[in-house]
Amino acid sequence: QLHLQESGPGLVKPSETLSLTCTVSRGSISSRSYYWGWIRQPPGKGLEFIGTFYYNGATYYNPSLKSRVTISVDTSKNQVSLKLTSVTAADTAVYYCARRAAGTTGYFDNWGQGTLVSVSS
Amino acid sequence: QSVMTQPPSVSGAPGQRVTISCTGSSSNIGAGYDVHWYQQLPGTAPKLLIYGNTNRPSGVPDRFSASKSGTSASLAITGLQAEDEADYYCQSYDTSLSGSVFGEGTKLTVL
Repeated sequence: QLHLQESGPGLVKPSETLSLTCTVSRGSISSRSYYWGWIRQPPGKGLEFIGTFYYNGATYYNPSLKSRVTISVDTSKNQVSLKLTSVTAADTAVYYCARRAAGTTGYFDNWGQGTLVSVSS
Repeated sequence: QSVMTQPPSVSGAPGQRVTISCTGSSSNIGAGYDVHWYQQLPGTAPKLLIYGNTNRPSGVPDRFSASKSGTSASLAITGLQAEDEADYYCQSYDTSLSGSVFGEGTKLTVL
């Protein structure tokens, strides 16, 4: 059974960079059948798609976050990383990593438990 | 604000049937893109409930079903149970965003 685990600082100061890592176990991030993505959920609000990474290096980012987001992978560690620069309080959220089936309208079939990141001084 | 609209809340008594709508446009659902549904129990990560408009992953009870027509999709839950109380989200692809998009989410309350 695929397992995804997010990790990273729970508190980030305004204007700094949020960095999270998703460690994937019992599955390879190099698979052509899947994308690896990040989704976030501000407290008490809905889900917001952040972006995805495909094995061939292709990335897609939500246009509203594109200028601040980078998703990358470390295949040697089977990890997917998220970096979000110049954070503000509006970036406070639970951040989830998830596996997405390949295809234009792929669904997210496996999710990590999520990690809460608060932006505050 | 999402490009796919869901009612903020729905409710029903145990045993009843409820439906949750997901209204999109010609740039997403109406363009023929698949719709998927997720269930998020309180304090937990979302879980895939329906994929490809109508398909249930292994382990999802057949009390859950979904359909799609035109620019909208709908999730139906029959034989409502207390454990169904959760937030439900639809997801599709939007050409104007060139990427995945989630609906606003609907909170289901079991009375």
